[in-house]
Amino acid sequence: EDQVTQSPEALRLQEGESSSLNCSYTVSGLRGLFWYRQDPGKGPEFLFTLYSAGEEKEKERLKATLTKKESFLHITAPKPEDSATYLCAVQATGRRALTFGSGTRLQVQP
Amino acid sequence: DVKVTQSSRYLVKRTGEKVFLECVQDMDHENMFWYRQDPGLGLRLIYFSYDVKMKEKGDIPEGYSVSREKKERFSLILESASTNQTSMYLCASSSRQGAYEQYFGPGTRLTVT
Repeated sequence: EDQVTQSPEALRLQEGESSSLNCSYTVSGLRGLFWYRQDPGKGPEFLFTLYSAGEEKEKERLKATLTKKESFLHITAPKPEDSATYLCAVQATGRRALTFGSGTRLQVQP
Repeated sequence: DVKVTQSSRYLVKRTGEKVFLECVQDMDHENMFWYRQDPGLGLRLIYFSYDVKMKEKGDIPEGYSVSREKKERFSLILESASTNQTSMYLCASSSRQGAYEQYFGPGTRLTVT
């Protein structure tokens, strides 16, 4: 059974204080790993897809990396508008559905 | 940009009512999904469809059914709403090509009283 575990559950940062969110996964064969951002009361917004170990993707202050067992979402010099829940999901080879983690709730204080 | 729309942002229904949630996507995606999201439980897959009139059960299909008569539209039906179906319902779509990343609608907050 595919599993995704995200840590920490919640993270509070000061503006400008860089940090990383972790996503550990177990999957029979990885087709893709996905990161989403979700604001309260809204649907998840797609951020990145990673396909294989060693791959990195960047968007503004966010950088996602992938190893064979986990992915990290690095947030560099965050701003208050980066406050959201960040979700990680995996897709196993041969499956159409994604398996989601429970998310990391990030709060960035000015 | 991919756009996924859902028929209602907020909905209040009574126990026992039949409830229809509608989802429309404008990107000609083959796959469409219905999830529910509850605090502490994350996103759970109810049903998905990989083609018109085709469907597969997800992790929690009990109490729900779906309909996909047109490629762009995917409906979730609560046959007889119960209070434990109070939740945020999210629709998503993805292409059969490439990496299958899913694009989500804004969600429907359903309250069953």
